[in-house]
Amino acid sequence: DAGITQSPRYKITETGRQVTLMCHQTWSHSYMFWYRQDLGHGLRLIYYSAAADITDKGEVPDGYVVSRSKTENFPLTLESATRSQTSVYFCASSEGPEQYFGPGTRLTVT
Amino acid sequence: GENVEQHPSTLSVQEGDSAVIKCTYSDSASNYFPWYKQELGKGPQLIIDIRSNVGEKKDQRIAVTLNKTAKHFSLHITETQPEDSAVYFCAASIYNYGQNFVFGPGTRLSVLP
Repeated sequence: DAGITQSPRYKITETGRQVTLMCHQTWSHSYMFWYRQDLGHGLRLIYYSAAADITDKGEVPDGYVVSRSKTENFPLTLESATRSQTSVYFCASSEGPEQYFGPGTRLTVT
Repeated sequence: GENVEQHPSTLSVQEGDSAVIKCTYSDSASNYFPWYKQELGKGPQLIIDIRSNVGEKKDQRIAVTLNKTAKHFSLHITETQPEDSAVYFCAASIYNYGQNFVFGPGTRLSVLP
């Protein structure tokens, strides 16, 4: 049972590059989420999705784009990466009140 | 919107002692309060949760209490062990499918042998 996986686990990119972080879940959960984790801020919601083709902004959506063409996948794209987007990114899914998190992607923008 | 505060930011206890982490929330409509444990290099893992119609919930060495009037909830870990060392996050939300969590900033717990 793979659960929820993220790829890549580590990524270094340059300012201005486009980067896509992948998230895949095997539970067929309806809801999926993207968070970023920064020291002193805890986890902040970037975008979430209620179902395929339904997405909505969270607390910190600027500079990010999401899509959800299939229930199991929820990619997050940084269209033009900036240093302020250096962070650890977590994907989560849910089918009830509980959210289940992936292992995270550590992204460094140089 | 909802705001969640969490204290202390760091906590060190001796193995076998108890640890208590406290959170306060601002939105009286919030009615679901999960606690997550995050070990180094891993994603947050749900360890216990409580809904607003319950004042206390226990699961072995872990318990959570909720005071709706004061809008605060606490995590209690008894008989701490070195493997309890991690960062703990509280969160608050309005119970529903796909509700958005607002997380506290986290507490780094160190259990000293």
